[in-house]
Amino acid sequence: EVQILESGGGLVQPGGSLRLSCVASGFTFSKYAMIWVRQAPGKGPEWVSGISGSGYAADYADSVKGRFTISRDNSKNTLYLQMNSLRAEDTAVYYCGKGHQEWNSGYYYMDVWGTGTTVTVSS
Amino acid sequence: EIVLTQSPGTLSLSPGERATLSCRASQSVSSSSLAWYQHKPGQAPRLLIYGASTRATGIPDRFSGSGSGTDFTLTISRLGPEDFAVYYCQQYGSSVKTFGQGTKLEIK
Repeated sequence: EVQILESGGGLVQPGGSLRLSCVASGFTFSKYAMIWVRQAPGKGPEWVSGISGSGYAADYADSVKGRFTISRDNSKNTLYLQMNSLRAEDTAVYYCGKGHQEWNSGYYYMDVWGTGTTVTVSS
Repeated sequence: EIVLTQSPGTLSLSPGERATLSCRASQSVSSSSLAWYQHKPGQAPRLLIYGASTRATGIPDRFSGSGSGTDFTLTISRLGPEDFAVYYCQQYGSSVKTFGQGTKLEIK
């Protein structure tokens, strides 16, 4: 059974940093893209970033480009999201998802999601 | 960026009824690269449909997806009590992946 578990969320001040982690099991981790999606209160989901199974390709939403960095450690079946220069508008539940293929040139959907971790940016 | 507009915002139906949810794109979605997800409070979102019309593994056949170009539909033929949730569409045919704002399916 595929399982995904996010951690690392919390309360952080504007301008601060946070690193999210996502541990996956039940599939060959290195063969699939992994994705971060967030959902602010009362809004629809927003794609944040994705990374290929090998880790050599990644993409970002414009809203986080230059501030967030996605990475993965295939030896630990773990995905990360380093979030710097956080803003109030980054407040959301952050979901980790398994991509349906290794990368597919960056055209992917999520076939399994975690339950999310909450990030609150506030002074 | 492709904007997805879902309608209605809220749909009130009774168990056993048929539900029809719409997702309209601001421009054509390449290769029918559209997915539907179901989300219940406190749970992980669940993939229902990909490629506009292909059911994901383990999804009951009362769920069906259709459409192409800019207009897509998710149909639930006979609502079960477990189907009341929020439904989102997502397009993945462009480099900027986008989601709709959701349709809440509630018990009438």
